[in-house]
Amino acid sequence: AQSVSQHNHHVILSEAASLELGCNYSYGGTVNLFWYVQYPGQHLQLLLKYFSGDPLVKGIKGFEAEFIKSKFSFNLRKPSVQWSDTAEYFCAVKAGYSSASKIIFGSGTRLSIRP
Amino acid sequence: DAGVTQSPTHLIKTRGQQVTLRCSPKSGHDTVSWYQQALGQGPQFIFQYYEEEERQRGNFPDRFSGHQFPNYSSELNVNALLLGDSALYLCASSPKLGVQETQYFGPGTRLLVL
Repeated sequence: AQSVSQHNHHVILSEAASLELGCNYSYGGTVNLFWYVQYPGQHLQLLLKYFSGDPLVKGIKGFEAEFIKSKFSFNLRKPSVQWSDTAEYFCAVKAGYSSASKIIFGSGTRLSIRP
Repeated sequence: DAGVTQSPTHLIKTRGQQVTLRCSPKSGHDTVSWYQQALGQGPQFIFQYYEEEERQRGNFPDRFSGHQFPNYSSELNVNALLLGDSALYLCASSPKLGVQETQYFGPGTRLLVL
């Protein structure tokens, strides 16, 4: 069965520190990959997505992610975090080319930024 | 342009009762998916509707059922509620069912079963 693993449950950083959140998935075929963010009291928002092409994708608010097919990974990065980045981050995978393929979410990583 | 809307925002029910949650997709979207997000976990896929039919289903019992209307809005029904059904229920919509569609999420309905 397909699955998504986010190894860091809670990450605490100071402002201006660099961020990398890990995401690994289990599926051997074609995948579409997503990172969603859930700010406190707000709904899930799309941060960035990978469908095909350049494996380094850039999203909103200075975030980027790199798809490494050989490692089944799609890690999220940001060079310098801000207090406003405090949120829950979810990695998600849509496996296969079927238009009805479901999206599988990881369990999330809570990011806390110290001002 | 309104995004995905859901009603009600909060709901309290008792075990054994039935509940209906509602979702209106983003303008221009015709595919609706439902997710259950338990506390401290990621969303879990329940099912997806397109052209008023259930197209894909996750690992949820038959107590969970749904419906999509001609205007693309959708309902999620849960019968015989259990304490474990307490969760945030999310609706997501996407444009015409396709390989590379992006789902947009609503604010959710928080259900508490006592």
